[in-house]
Amino acid sequence: GPKVLQIPSHQIIDMGQMVTLNCDPVSNHLYFYWYKQILGQQMEFLVNFYNGKVMEKSKLFKDQFSVERPDGSYFTLKIQPTALEDSAVYFCASSGDKNYAEQFFGPGTRLTVL
Amino acid sequence: QQKVQQSPESLTVSEGAMASLNCTFSDGTSNNFRWYRQHSAKGLEVLVSIFSDGEKEEGRFTAHLNRANLHVSLHIREPQPSDSAVYLCARNTEGADRLTFGKGTQLIIQP
Repeated sequence: GPKVLQIPSHQIIDMGQMVTLNCDPVSNHLYFYWYKQILGQQMEFLVNFYNGKVMEKSKLFKDQFSVERPDGSYFTLKIQPTALEDSAVYFCASSGDKNYAEQFFGPGTRLTVL
Repeated sequence: QQKVQQSPESLTVSEGAMASLNCTFSDGTSNNFRWYRQHSAKGLEVLVSIFSDGEKEEGRFTAHLNRANLHVSLHIREPQPSDSAVYLCARNTEGADRLTFGKGTQLIIQP
């Protein structure tokens, strides 16, 4: 089926540093999502993005977070500065439409903040 | 806040025996339910999406939705060891583009 890629698979950084997580969505998809999964907990919605704009975000999407997709390249999640509680696996997803359209997920990026 | 509860947390089934997983939700506002599975270091694989009360079958996977009981289940026919994974139940609501997930059921299929 359609594949979403995420780069890197694992990132270790020191608290306070900036990190950018990259997502290569399905080629013709227009809707993009980030979800966060802390170890042992359920996956939780962070943000969705369409036509260059954040459409909806959750309370987990702190001011230190930002998303963009410059020139149709990677869809990125940037955290600046990072905090210890940002340690989690971050999953990117994309879909061809909104609401009930299928969301296709990447394998996740494991972020460890020291 | 919408909640999704999955049970059991872990399930071990012999190869070839039916595996049944459960998911309950906190209210009846959701319009769509999905079952995903997650192998280690891989993305989520969608198994079944179900909109209406009743059953929906996709190959060896059958979802059964009962809105009145706030319950959706997944049944895996003739499971193989390769079906061992974490199974996630998710819901979304009309007008909201986010998925709400349960914590998952760790399924182990023993040869």
